Amino acid sequence: EAGVAQSPRYKIIEKRQSVAFWCNPISGHATLYWYQQILGQGPKLLIQFQNNGVVDDSQLPKDRFSAERLKGVDSTLKIQPAKLEDSAVYLCASSLDGTPNEKLFFGSGTQLSVL
Amino acid sequence: AQSVTQLGSHVSVSEGALVLLRCNYSSSVPPYLFWYVQYPNQGLQLLLKYTSAATLVKGINGFEAEFKKSETSFHLTKPSAHMSDAAEYFCAVSSNTGNQFYFGTGTSLTVIP
Repeated sequence: EAGVAQSPRYKIIEKRQSVAFWCNPISGHATLYWYQQILGQGPKLLIQFQNNGVVDDSQLPKDRFSAERLKGVDSTLKIQPAKLEDSAVYLCASSLDGTPNEKLFFGSGTQLSVL
Repeated sequence: AQSVTQLGSHVSVSEGALVLLRCNYSSSVPPYLFWYVQYPNQGLQLLLKYTSAATLVKGINGFEAEFKKSETSFHLTKPSAHMSDAAEYFCAVSSNTGNQFYFGTGTSLTVIP
């Protein structure tokens, strides 16, 4: 089966610029997650979608980060304007229906460097 | 509130030696516990998970972990390390009162030939 697809693989921008990441989850997976992984830390959940609705965005910095999953399939995460501390790997994951004991399938991530 | 603590950000073992990666959890309700592995330039992959069916959980690639409620631990072990085991390992917790996963800070495993 095809895995979780993410693009781009790498992105380098200057602070105050904007950037967008794209994620296509595994076909049929209702739940989609965006995680931020800063170097030396574990992944931190930014936002969780169930189909096209938001389940949890409590840790999303809403003044600069936004995400959408309009048709309940693929998703985009945007940062505008970017700050130096946004440098991280942004991971997308999906699961079948979002139950707590369910396996997450991760993409390879987008490595963002903000200069 | 739930969290996991991984003791030791870097672990080095010789090829063929025992691998032991430590994870302690904090949860106010019975947790679900997971170990994920991240190989260089790849996404995280599930190694194994504990969902209360059995305290000793066997995963892929010869890894296993034992849930010890008295010690609030879920340590990952493998009897004999292989060079291909070199990777970053993350412990994670969730519970049936919420569907958010909390990841530890990770342990980088180096296998010395």
